[in-house]
Amino acid sequence: NAGVTQTPKFQVLKTGQSMTLQCAQDMNHEYMSWYRQDPGMGLRLIHYSVGAGITDQGEVPNGYNVSRSTTEDFPLRLLSAAPSQTSVYFCASSYGGGVSEQFFGPGTRLTVL
Amino acid sequence: EDQVTQSPEALRLQEGESSSLNCSYTVSGLRGLFWYRQDPGKGPEFLFTLYSAGEEKEKERLKATLTKKESFLHITAPKPEDSATYLCAVQAADFGNEKLTFGTGTRLTIIP
Repeated sequence: NAGVTQTPKFQVLKTGQSMTLQCAQDMNHEYMSWYRQDPGMGLRLIHYSVGAGITDQGEVPNGYNVSRSTTEDFPLRLLSAAPSQTSVYFCASSYGGGVSEQFFGPGTRLTVL
Repeated sequence: EDQVTQSPEALRLQEGESSSLNCSYTVSGLRGLFWYRQDPGKGPEFLFTLYSAGEEKEKERLKATLTKKESFLHITAPKPEDSATYLCAVQAADFGNEKLTFGTGTRLTIIP
């Protein structure tokens, strides 16, 4: 049982490049979400999904796209990277939304030059 | 707007020296308050969920309490392995609201 896995662990992009951050979970959780963590700020919700085929915006969705074609995978796409997107990105999953315990992945540290 | 403020930002304790971390919150109806532990370079790890004022939960040397305005994470006789950043988060009781609002955390260092 690997839990929540994220790839890559580190990534450097140039402004304007696009990329996909991968997230997978093997716990059959319906709820998955993406957060970013910046120094001096709390974790902020980017996008979330309550099940395959259903996604919704969080607090800071601009510049990011998501899709959920399977229960296991929830990739986050950066369409045209900007320096403001330099951050550590965490994927999380839970059995349900709301007050369910969230399991976080190890994170992806992204630098946009 | 939901807000979470954690204090202090950083805390250094000697091994065995008990203390408390504070989480003050403002939310339009509380569905749940969460405590997570985060080690450097890793994702947050769930510790507790508290639902209503007066509730308490314990796990090893940690005890979380909740009032209508704040939560405390009490650490009793800490050990060096308790060193981590402790995050507090709240979820509002709005229907369909899945957002957790996180504080910026308290970085705890336990000195042997």
